Amino acid sequence: EPEVTQTPSHQVTQMGQEVILRCVPISNHLYFYWYRQILGQKVEFLVSFYNNEISEKSEIFDDQFSVERPDGSNFTLKIRSTKLEDSAMYFCASIAAPGELFFGEGSRLTVL
Amino acid sequence: AQSVTQLDSQVPVFEEAPVELRCNYSSSVSVYLFWYVQYPNQGLQLLLKYLSGSTLVKGINGFEAEFNKSQTSFHLRKPSVHISDTAEYFCAVSDRNDYKLSFGAGTTVTVRA
Repeated sequence: EPEVTQTPSHQVTQMGQEVILRCVPISNHLYFYWYRQILGQKVEFLVSFYNNEISEKSEIFDDQFSVERPDGSNFTLKIRSTKLEDSAMYFCASIAAPGELFFGEGSRLTVL
Repeated sequence: AQSVTQLDSQVPVFEEAPVELRCNYSSSVSVYLFWYVQYPNQGLQLLLKYLSGSTLVKGINGFEAEFNKSQTSFHLRKPSVHISDTAEYFCAVSDRNDYKLSFGAGTTVTVRA
């Protein structure tokens, strides 16, 4: 069964450092997403990406965040200067048609 | 925009007892509805979805949910739970014209022997 893969599974970083979280969406999917889940809280939408550009972003997705699809397979989320409150599980997802977002297993980011 | 309210933050239940997790949504347009499960330290797994057709939807692991348009609800049920059903359950909604999901706050189900 096709799946969305994310790396790293866990990253620990110092406050102020740049972090890149990587995702490989399912190959024939066209819409890509990043979601965030702070520990013990609900899953929150960050950004959607279609046709090589951001289609929608939430108010959480400020200037320190960026997304990129550098090649035909990877989809990355960059946090330029991490803050303590960026500590969370970050989920990548992709979809080809209405009905189901396929989520990756998540990347846990810990900012010290 | 859509929003989702999960009415119970924690649901303790004994093994082999039934469970119902309540979910209400608000939206000005037609929606798709989903339930996801998250086991400890794992990702999100789709339990079931409502896209159209029959309002009673059956999913994996013996779960089912019923879409009630008049009450804007999509409650999740299982007639007999197992210890392994201990997890966080999230209700989610998306606009039919936009695949983005909006999640509820989650319900923690703890199954005890």
